[in-house]
Amino acid sequence: KNEVEQSPQNLTAQEGEFITINCSYSVGISALHWLQQHPGGGIVSLFMLSSGKKKHGRLIATINIQEKHSSLHITASHPRDSAVYICAVRSRGSQGNLIFGKGTKLSVKP
Amino acid sequence: EPEVTQTPSHQVTQMGQEVILRCVPISNHLYFYWYRQILGQKVEFLVSFYNNEISEKSEIFDDQFSVERPDGSNFTLKIRSTKLEDSAMYFCASRKGFLSSGANVLTFGAGSRLTVL
Repeated sequence: KNEVEQSPQNLTAQEGEFITINCSYSVGISALHWLQQHPGGGIVSLFMLSSGKKKHGRLIATINIQEKHSSLHITASHPRDSAVYICAVRSRGSQGNLIFGKGTKLSVKP
Repeated sequence: EPEVTQTPSHQVTQMGQEVILRCVPISNHLYFYWYRQILGQKVEFLVSFYNNEISEKSEIFDDQFSVERPDGSNFTLKIRSTKLEDSAMYFCASRKGFLSSGANVLTFGAGSRLTVL
């Protein structure tokens, strides 16, 4: 069983649509990361959350620790948002042993 | 914006050869990591490094792997005798580590693609 599950695996949207990507995890965590991986392979850290909600531009990340669930939202999506979005959790007591989800491949059509 | 720099971007090697992947973390960062991603699969943790020693490692990080911080800037991953299944993208990452804003945000390098023939 995967400790970090993401849904959907693939998502196609029209430009301007509101996007939601979900992440559920089964372990106790100290932090949750949302990462963006571009087609070239590079990984960019979008958010690190341990509680509540964070917003950066058109991106919003929320986490519910009790429900072991996090969501990443993209408002007014744009073709340049097309990428793989990865949820990763740091289990309690770990310094860097991130457990990664398989990623959600987002494609935004113009 | 400070970057984590990795070299080489792509290396092709023969099975059984030694490979060294290099990383230059952000200068005021204290925690360093290696992750790998086999093509089409999820990213996996290999090792974390702090205060000149390994602080945590995964089952993947067996005796064939080693890490070193030979000077004040480089952080290297060595694979002693490469196997076909070591073919993957290897990512280095670093973080600041103090209790301050952004202390736990990871910055990733662009990756080093290793192909073992």
